[in-house]
This record gives sequence, C-alpha cells and structure tokens, in this order.
Amino acid sequence: QKEVEQNSGPLSVPEGAIASLNCTYSDRGSQSFFWYRQYSGKSPELIMFIYSNGDKEDGRFTAQLNKASQYVSLLIRDSQPSDSATYLCAADPNSGYALNFGKGTSLLVTP
Amino acid sequence: DTAVSQTPKYLVTQMGNDKSIKCEQNLGHDTMYWYKQDSKKFLKIMFSYNNKELIINETVPNRFSPKSPDKAHLNLHINSLELGDSAVYFCASSQEFLGLNTGELFFGEGSRLTVL
Repeated sequence: QKEVEQNSGPLSVPEGAIASLNCTYSDRGSQSFFWYRQYSGKSPELIMFIYSNGDKEDGRFTAQLNKASQYVSLLIRDSQPSDSATYLCAADPNSGYALNFGKGTSLLVTP
Repeated sequence: DTAVSQTPKYLVTQMGNDKSIKCEQNLGHDTMYWYKQDSKKFLKIMFSYNNKELIINETVPNRFSPKSPDKAHLNLHINSLELGDSAVYFCASSQEFLGLNTGELFFGEGSRLTVL
C-alpha cells in the first residue's frame, strides 16, 4: 500500500500567522503532489500542485517538495479564518493509478 | 452549469437494501472515479474508468459495481448494504489519466449514504 501520511491535527493558528502543513509519502515513484482544500460538508478542491524539488508560490500559498526526504509541505501566509478547512495531501504514483490521498490535516484559524 | 453532478446527495436506507448513485460530468474528461470518504475524512479510491473502460478496481467488496454507459457517466450500484458502507461517496473526473499535467480532479458534491 502506497501511503501518504499527514498529521490529522487540528492545527490552530491565529489570524495573520503562517500555517505550516506537512505530508510524507512512501512511494518513491511518485512524481506529482497536490494539496486539496475541503471545507466541512463540501467537496475537495485543488489549491496547489508541485512536481519539482523546491518551492512553488501562488499568492499566499507556497508548496514545498523534497523528493530525497519524501516530504511535501504547504505554507499559508497571513492566515485568514476563511482558510479554516481540512487540507488533503495527495500523490500521483505515476503508475496509471489514481491519486493517493492522506487523511487530511484540519486547520483552524482563530480571529 | 455544474461540472460534475451526483444524485442523490443524501441517501438513507436499511441494511440489506440495494441502492445506486449516479454521476455525470460535462467537462469532456476521459477519466472518471469513485472515491469513498469515511467519517475520519479519509478519501480512498474505489474505481476508475478511462473512456468507459475499468482501469482501477481497488479492494472493494463485489457488492459494489460501477457502470459507465459512456465517458460522461459513471454510476455506482451497491447491493446488500451494510452499516460499514455509510460514508460520503465522491465522483470525480480528470483530463487524461493523471499524467504530468495538473492532475486536477474535479469532484462532485458528494453523496452521503447512511445505512441504518
């Protein structure tokens, strides 16, 4: 079983702080990594993807990938209460199979 | 227009019954999926179809049977429902088969199944 591991949280940060979400994966063949956000009672939506080592920035979001350590992270700068959600990390095993999702980290941004 | 639509959104039924969930996508995608999300939010792949052909069939009881009449539709039929089948079932679609593109899955709103 190819696994994607996340700390389930909840991770609580004050408004305006940086939220750091982490993820590790076991399949060294994975090439692409994704962060999905899921609000309570809603469906997941893609917020970032990354497939090269290093950082990728998009607005307040930065995804970081370290393939040697099999580690992916998502930083959310200037966190807002509207960022409160579950964040799902996913890996593409690059073997023709569907994305493997982690169990998600619950983020709570407090005003 | 809703990109990926599922019906019904809520389903409450008794153990032992048979039920179906329907999914349609109007994005022109070639690949469709069924994911199951349990009460702990774990999203697990069940099936994937690419151009009406079954590609992925994870370790799922054979009480679950997907059917894809065309590439825009993927339905899920469940026989002899059990308590453990209670979950939210998400249909999703993607362009290509998760090659090195964005790998973006477009999810339906989910179908919450409760088995009593």
